[in-house]
Amino acid sequence: GESVGLHLPTLSVQEGDNSIINCAYSNSASDYFIWYKQESGKGPQFIIDIRSNMDKRQGQRVTVLLNKTVKHLSLQIAATQPGDSAVYFCAENIRGSNYKLTFGKGTLLTVNP
Amino acid sequence: GAGVSQSPRYKVAKRGQDVALRCDPISGHVSLFWYQQALGQGPEFLTYFQNEAQLDKSGLPSDRFFAERPEGSVSTLKIQRTQQEDSAVYLCASSLYYSTGELFFGEGSRLTVL
Repeated sequence: GESVGLHLPTLSVQEGDNSIINCAYSNSASDYFIWYKQESGKGPQFIIDIRSNMDKRQGQRVTVLLNKTVKHLSLQIAATQPGDSAVYFCAENIRGSNYKLTFGKGTLLTVNP
Repeated sequence: GAGVSQSPRYKVAKRGQDVALRCDPISGHVSLFWYQQALGQGPEFLTYFQNEAQLDKSGLPSDRFFAERPEGSVSTLKIQRTQQEDSAVYLCASSLYYSTGELFFGEGSRLTVL
């Protein structure tokens, strides 16, 4: 049968290492970006967001970087733990549409103990 | 409840059957969204409610899909004459405010059409 892993970019890291997950977006009118974590069989869970007037935002163990010049978004997870294993999605909101999110394809993060 | 609740969690339907998927958002949340998530893909927007008003249904794939939120709380997504391509996880999300803000997602209803 079809496997999620066949279609998703994957990142495998060792426990304790830092992880960087990347996302490219195409719409220059996007003004709000969010990272979500989705564990198997669950709905997406909000991690951190950033508005287009910022280039960096930090949370607990996570940092989001936004480079509007090249339309690139990244999520950095410090001291990655096994519980961080999940699929990570970036989502963008286009200016003028304050409710409709467009999700990226997702990256599967596997943390090896 | 503390979170967004969806039922049923799993639904198997024969092609041509009608199905109804229920969403109980977080109490007091103004905005309610339905997303469709195919296997290995990110969620895709279906429709948006602000209280009882359906402000955007542009993501609904066909006129076989219908959503309602008559009293501004519980919402139902109905799919008529299901087709195999309707097989997906249907996610409901709610937000306290009149914009995306921080969306709280339910665990989804997985629909399999045989």
